[in-house]
Amino acid sequence: DQQVKQNSPSLSVQEGRISILNCDYTNSMFDYFLWYKKYPAEGPTFLISISSIKDKNEDGRFTVFLNKSAKHLSLHIVPSQPGDSAVYFCAPISSGSARQLTFGSGTQLTVLP
Amino acid sequence: GAVVSQHPSWVICKSGTSVKIECRSLDFQATTMFWYRQFPKQSLMLMATSNEGSKATYEQGVEKDKFLINHASLTLSTLTVTSAHPEDSSFYICSLQRTSGSWEQFFGPGTRLTVL
Repeated sequence: DQQVKQNSPSLSVQEGRISILNCDYTNSMFDYFLWYKKYPAEGPTFLISISSIKDKNEDGRFTVFLNKSAKHLSLHIVPSQPGDSAVYFCAPISSGSARQLTFGSGTQLTVLP
Repeated sequence: GAVVSQHPSWVICKSGTSVKIECRSLDFQATTMFWYRQFPKQSLMLMATSNEGSKATYEQGVEKDKFLINHASLTLSTLTVTSAHPEDSSFYICSLQRTSGSWEQFFGPGTRLTVL
């Protein structure tokens, strides 16, 4: 039972354009949502997060939108740069005491120069 | 953010041997560390939660006698893969978590284990 789904395994975008990565979840106990970026053979690096009490959080070129009623969030990168090419994971945290991350399957973003 | 190191970064071993992977927090005292495993083209799967001074909590399906976790101090957790088999070949990643605020987890660079 996948609690976190990233239905697009890959996405290609032209440099300078907007990249939109989507994530759907089923667990209503998730109250904090993180996005991580991962290069091959490296650990994930934190990108941006959003609390369930907000619907938007912006940090530079990165904006995350949360639609709680639809249990959907998206990461927007604009303008996209070739260095953004990586795998992006959506990783919600549940409100339980363990505060564990649940990773989505990831989306491979390729930004074409 | 926190700086997390892992050692070794890459290890090749024969089937049946044991391998120890270290995870160190270089600038942050972590009461809780997490161990993940990532198979090729798959997502990160949580294996266990490592608590300083107490027994680790393992996820369903993860054998605690095969994957020994020791969190001896606030800056060091070790994962030992005992009697490794080829199917244990994977990318092992540790992380530590802030206990307040944004609940970010900071990940180590990972350890590539190849069992021949």
